Amino acid sequence: EIVLTQSPGTLSLSPGERATLSCRASQSVISSFLAWYQQKPGQAPRLLIYGAANRATGIPDRFSGSGSGTDFTLTISRLEPEDFAVYYCQQYGDSPPYSFGQGTKLEIK
Amino acid sequence: QVTLRESGPALVKPTQTLTLTCTFSGFSLSTDGMCVTWIRQPPGKALEWLARIDWDDNKYYSKSLKTRLTISKDTSRNQVVLTLTNMDLVDTATYYCARIVVSPIVSAFHVWGPGTMVTVSS
Repeated sequence: EIVLTQSPGTLSLSPGERATLSCRASQSVISSFLAWYQQKPGQAPRLLIYGAANRATGIPDRFSGSGSGTDFTLTISRLEPEDFAVYYCQQYGDSPPYSFGQGTKLEIK
Repeated sequence: QVTLRESGPALVKPTQTLTLTCTFSGFSLSTDGMCVTWIRQPPGKALEWLARIDWDDNKYYSKSLKTRLTISKDTSRNQVVLTLTNMDLVDTATYYCARIVVSPIVSAFHVWGPGTMVTVSS
């Protein structure tokens, strides 16, 4: 089973700044089946990025994903107040089991 | 429009069996490539994948919970049922269901239900 490790655990930034979140896999993620989700308190996760670099429907272009193999990155180019939340990466290859990272909390500095 | 909603008891006792239902609309689980999956999240902790059932009745389970989980579907009622036996305090969590499409290529979890909170307590 692939283990995903996210860093940092907490990221403190100000609105307008750039955020860079990392996700490292214990083995290569097949066909870049890597997704990023945003979760706000009391809400279900929302898909942001799939296939490592594709934005989901309705996701603003300030969110971008990159990477392949075992190293992936979520970048938020200019933070808006509504972007402060917890972010999870996930691998979702052809067959389960699937796995999630432990999350990065993006908080207002 | 695809929607899913979880339902079940908010409180269960230790050793009891939890039964959760995911009722969905906007797609059919008899259509090739359609799947429903369950995920849970203990309070303040990370997401944990639990199980998946496919249109052709293939089933997949978390290795760590395999012996306690059962997933099934009722295609005519657009429902997927998850049971978790021998509930323990550590099973306290919000339980989510989500849709996955695996044809032509596997999708991420694009659509989630709002989740249902289950507390295990005597």
